[in-house]
Amino acid sequence: DQQVKQNSPSLSVQEGRISILNCDYTNSMFDYFLWYKKYPAEGPTFLISISSIKDKNEDGRFTVFLNKSAKHLSLHIVPSQPGDSAVYFCAASGDSGYSTLTFGKGTMLLVSP
Amino acid sequence: DTEVTQTPKHLVMGMTNKKSLKCEQHMGHRAMYWYKQKAKKPPELMFVYSYEKLSINESVPSRFSPECPNSSLLNLHLHALQPEDSALYLCASSQRFQSAEQYFGPGTRLTVT
Repeated sequence: DQQVKQNSPSLSVQEGRISILNCDYTNSMFDYFLWYKKYPAEGPTFLISISSIKDKNEDGRFTVFLNKSAKHLSLHIVPSQPGDSAVYFCAASGDSGYSTLTFGKGTMLLVSP
Repeated sequence: DTEVTQTPKHLVMGMTNKKSLKCEQHMGHRAMYWYKQKAKKPPELMFVYSYEKLSINESVPSRFSPECPNSSLLNLHLHALQPEDSALYLCASSQRFQSAEQYFGPGTRLTVT
């Protein structure tokens, strides 16, 4: 049973628009959440994280929102750029980020010019 | 230097072969990880080393044998693999044991024939 779910395998967005990637989790012990970005032929790269004590964390064009009651988080990219085209993995951890990572299956984002 | 390197990039081996995957980092990280990723699936944790000692083995078959010769190097020795072991093998490192913020290498694409 998947504990971290990314229900959209792919997402297409036009350059300059907002990209919203969603993630749901089932394990109540998760208290630290991350997004990793993966280009073809490269390993995943850490993008942004959020602790369960917060509901929002922002870093430049990237914002992660956490809704604990719904066990849902989302990654917003504004404005989207063609270079953002990649696979985005949602990941979760317990123990305030010091426990085994559980990954979602990933969402492939395609940003077209 | 925030890079994790892995060699080889691609490996094709028969079921009777013995081969090794190599991983190296020079960030002074004290934790290193092996993950296995099948197509359209999330990375799955195999092993974790902390301060050069094996700390986590996620019930991986003995045909996979990890080794950490020093704090910068991590090997994965392969012997008598099965075709279903074909996958992308990712190495990662982090400053602390089981830190969720991990640096990944580009992976070794393994095909077992």
